[in-house]
Amino acid sequence: GEDVEQSLFLSVREGDSSVINCTYTDSSSTYLYWYKQEPGAGLQLLTYIFSNMDMKQDQRLTVLLNKKDKHLSLRIADTQTGDSAIYFCAESILDRDDKIIFGKGTRLHILP
Amino acid sequence: DADVTQTPRNRITKTGKRIMLECSQTKGHDRMYWYRQDPGLGLRLIYYSFDVKDINKGEISDGYSVSRQAQAKFSLSLESAIPNQTALYFCATSGRQGSNEQFFGPGTRLTVL
Repeated sequence: GEDVEQSLFLSVREGDSSVINCTYTDSSSTYLYWYKQEPGAGLQLLTYIFSNMDMKQDQRLTVLLNKKDKHLSLRIADTQTGDSAIYFCAESILDRDDKIIFGKGTRLHILP
Repeated sequence: DADVTQTPRNRITKTGKRIMLECSQTKGHDRMYWYRQDPGLGLRLIYYSFDVKDINKGEISDGYSVSRQAQAKFSLSLESAIPNQTALYFCATSGRQGSNEQFFGPGTRLTVL
């Protein structure tokens, strides 16, 4: 079946690195995503990785993909108060419907 | 201006009332989606549409219906609202090519008393 799992909460001190982890079950996924939801807003794509890649870096963000273990992580370097949000892991499954399956979201709380 | 807009942004209604939530997009995308978000449950897909003549049920379509009036408009209806439909509702769109990224509206907070 299709499932995306992630922990619900993470607390990190300002200036430290945040690492949000995710596991997925469907090996036929093509793209894996991290979406960010700020309070009172919709989800916004933060970054994505194609399933044949191991790593993608974009400024403070690093995405690591371990396809063998079906594990995806998002590392945010030098975490700032503006990074406080809910982060959703998601996978896209290329069949007729190209569905995106979302995890339940990890709420990142920044400690001063 | 926002690419994906939803109206209303907030709505309080009573059990048994008919409610329509509307979504409009200016991105020119063929694909549109309705999700509901509940605390601890993440996003769940209600309905999706790949073009005006193509409507598909998602994982939780019971109690909901949709209408794709035009490429740019996709509305969600609750024919007879019940309290467990209290949630945050999101519309999203995506194009056919590339990363299949979905673009989300700001959400409608619906409370059914």
